Amino acid sequence: EPEVTQTPSHQVTQMGQEVILRCVPISNHLYFYWYRQILGQKVEFLVSFYNNEISEKSEIFDDQFSVERPDGSNFTLKIRSTKLEDSAMYFCASSEAGLAGSPYEQYFGPGTRLTVT
Amino acid sequence: GQNIDQPTEMTATEGAIVQINCTYQTSGFNGLFWYQQHAGEAPTFLSYNVLDGLEEKGRFSSFLSRSKGYSYLLLKELQMKDSASYLCAAISNFGNEKLTFGTGTRLTIIP
Repeated sequence: EPEVTQTPSHQVTQMGQEVILRCVPISNHLYFYWYRQILGQKVEFLVSFYNNEISEKSEIFDDQFSVERPDGSNFTLKIRSTKLEDSAMYFCASSEAGLAGSPYEQYFGPGTRLTVT
Repeated sequence: GQNIDQPTEMTATEGAIVQINCTYQTSGFNGLFWYQQHAGEAPTFLSYNVLDGLEEKGRFSSFLSRSKGYSYLLLKELQMKDSASYLCAAISNFGNEKLTFGTGTRLTIIP
């Protein structure tokens, strides 16, 4: 069964450093997402991406964050200058394009645990 | 805005049935998803409802009432491996597919 993959599984970085989290969505999917989950808290939406552009972003997704689809398979999340509060599990997800008004299930990757020290 | 409420914790007995409730208040609504999440792992899709009524998938069923802003997930023939968090998530209809999650219900199955 096809699955979303993410690398690395765990990233430790110092405050102020840049990190790039990588994701390979399911190959025939067209919608891509990043979510994060701070330990013990709920899963929070960061950004959605479709047709090579951001379709929506949350308040969390400020200027420190960016996303990119550098080639036909990878989808990346970059945090330019990490802060302590960026420590969280970051999940990538993807879904097929659905009919208008018909949601499709989102498949989540295993996550990258980011620890900022 | 979006507000999704579900109980924080529940306990149930192996072999029994448990119902996890979820209420939502959203400015736009296009469907309600249920995900399972084991500790330290990714959410995995269980079911979704767009229209009112019951959707059944094996041991799991999910119900939606759009007029009441209410959903539940029903788990039958509980197994120890069902111990996990169950996440209720609403999807909006504003031209995007973002999921807004509740805080999750941590379900513990006891022998």
